[in-house]
Amino acid sequence: KQEVTQIPAALSVPEGENLVLNCSFTDSAIYNLQWFRQDPGKGLTSLLLIQSSQREQTSGRLNASLDKSSGRSTLYIAASQPGDSATYLCAVRRLRGGSQGNLIFGKGTKLSVKP
Amino acid sequence: DTGVSQDPRHKITKRGQNVTFRCDPISEHNRLYWYRQTLGQGPEFLTYFQNEAQLEKSRLLSDRFSAERPKGSFSTLEIQRTEQGDSAMYLCASSLGGFRGLAGEDTQYFGPGTRLTVL
Repeated sequence: KQEVTQIPAALSVPEGENLVLNCSFTDSAIYNLQWFRQDPGKGLTSLLLIQSSQREQTSGRLNASLDKSSGRSTLYIAASQPGDSATYLCAVRRLRGGSQGNLIFGKGTKLSVKP
Repeated sequence: DTGVSQDPRHKITKRGQNVTFRCDPISEHNRLYWYRQTLGQGPEFLTYFQNEAQLEKSRLLSDRFSAERPKGSFSTLEIQRTEQGDSAMYLCASSLGGFRGLAGEDTQYFGPGTRLTVL
């Protein structure tokens, strides 16, 4: 059974710091991994998607890496801003077995960036 | 706005009542997904459609839940005889669902969700 874990559960940093959010998964047979942002009471916004054959993806101040063999992904946020405050979720799509189309999510990391 | 839309955004109902939610995906997307999210948890998969075909249902989807996507466009999720444990945010997502494994095809785009409160 695929399980996704995110550490830490919450993180508070001062504005301007670079930070890393961690995601681990138990089954390396994944199709891809997706990072999302969720603001309180809102839906999810897709940030980055990494295919299983890729090592990293970048978008602006965000960089996501994937090490499939060790079952880990990191989301690096450079020069954090108060507007980055949100919950960040990672999710994997399984490669085989049932439910190949759906995503399996971690519980998220709640990020607070203090001005 | 060409994103995923959901209606209603909030629903308060009494235990035992039936409720129905609607999701309108991004127009060219052929895959549509329903997830449920409770406080402090990540979303959990409920079911998904490829066009009008319901291809997968989670064990979370008890017989009180039914989902349809009659013409391969919008979808409805109905919960019959609601229970307090059904209180959650119900999220809909869509994707292009191509077969080339491209990021643009696989990325799931989520709607704002419908928050259900069962009293």
